[in-house]
Formats: sequence, C-alpha cells, structure tokens
Amino acid sequence: DAGVTQSPTHLIKTRGQHVTLRCSPISGHKSVSWYQQVLGQGPQFIFQYYEKEERGRGNFPDRFSARQFPNYSSELNVNALLLGDSALYLCASSLSHGTYEQYFGPGTRLTVT
Amino acid sequence: GESVGLHLPTLSVQEGDNSIINCAYSNSASDYFIWYKQESGKGPQFIIDIRSNMDKRQGQRVTVLLNKTVKHLSLQIAATQPGDSAVYFCAGIGYTGKLIFGQGTTLQVKP
Repeated sequence: DAGVTQSPTHLIKTRGQHVTLRCSPISGHKSVSWYQQVLGQGPQFIFQYYEKEERGRGNFPDRFSARQFPNYSSELNVNALLLGDSALYLCASSLSHGTYEQYFGPGTRLTVT
Repeated sequence: GESVGLHLPTLSVQEGDNSIINCAYSNSASDYFIWYKQESGKGPQFIIDIRSNMDKRQGQRVTVLLNKTVKHLSLQIAATQPGDSAVYFCAGIGYTGKLIFGQGTTLQVKP
C-alpha cells in the first residue's frame, strides 16, 4: 500500500515568491494535517483538514493557507515567502479528524533565499 | 500552557545496550502520547502510543512508561541496534486536540 506522498521533494524559492506544496493521503484516510519542521526542532502544527473543511489551525500568519480536494489530497500555499519559512513541510494523514494516529509523508524541503 | 519537551538533545549508547529516552509534559489535560522516530531525510514514523489510563505499553523491542504524577514519559528500546539511530520525538495531544511535539532526542548507536 502506498503511504503518504508529497511533492515536490525539494524546492528553492526567493523571498517574496509564492509556493504550493502538495500531499496525497493514504487511501481511505480522509483527514490531512500540515506541519512545519525547522531544522533541529520538532514539527509544528499548521493546519488540519477533514472532508474539505478546515478543522484546526496553528499559530501561523495568514500568508499560510491550505485546501483539501474531493479526493482528500491537499495543497499548502505560502505567500510572500520569508527566509524564516525555510523548513521541512510535512503532511500527515489520518482516518478522520478525531483520530490521533497520524502517518507522515517524507516532507518537502523548502529553501528560501 | 501546553508543551512537551525532551530531557537530553543527544543520547549515545553502545550497540546491544538498552536505551531510555525521556520526555516531560506540562499539559495535565493531555490524555494521549505518541513516540515518533525520524531518520535523516524522512518524515516521522509512528513507534508506539499510550493513553493516560495506562502506565505502560509494550511493543516490539520498545516500551513506553507514563508517570502522570510527575508528568513524565519514557521510551525504552531494548538491545539497541545501529538501525535505531535517529531522532526521537514525543508528542502529546494539547487542549486544541492537536499534536504538540517536543524538540527531539538524537540517538546515536556506537558499534
């Protein structure tokens, strides 16, 4: 069975640009969560989506947005990139929004120069 | 506030020895904890979980202990192997219902 997949694997952007990251959950999973992991730290919760609706949001600015599609895949968008947005962006899927057990993808490494 | 934190940033053990990774949490309302293993270049991998109505849970070569009195949990790895080398995170459910991760402990296994 395929696990959580994310694309692209790596990405280099310059300050002020916009980026879109993509995630496909495990088949049968309806909830997707996004995390930011800065080098040397644990993942920080950004968003959770379930059935195309936002079910939770972490302490991130409005430059960060996300959406979930009918096939349960998801996109994370970041506008007006800052150097501090450089991080590993992780997507995790779970059966539903109330399910604590989450399965992570390999992440997208974003570098902002 | 709510937080989880690991006691040591790095732990070095000899191959074959047992490893113990510790974690403290401040949110007394947290009723669920997960240990994740993250290898270089990969996303976190689920190892084992425990609910607050339990004190101990065992998996394959791993044991998690939960002490609610002192708000402390630990991950024990038996007969540590080179493949166990990774960063280990404890995560708890905060009052928002979302996972809160600690900063991680790097486990180094010496041959």
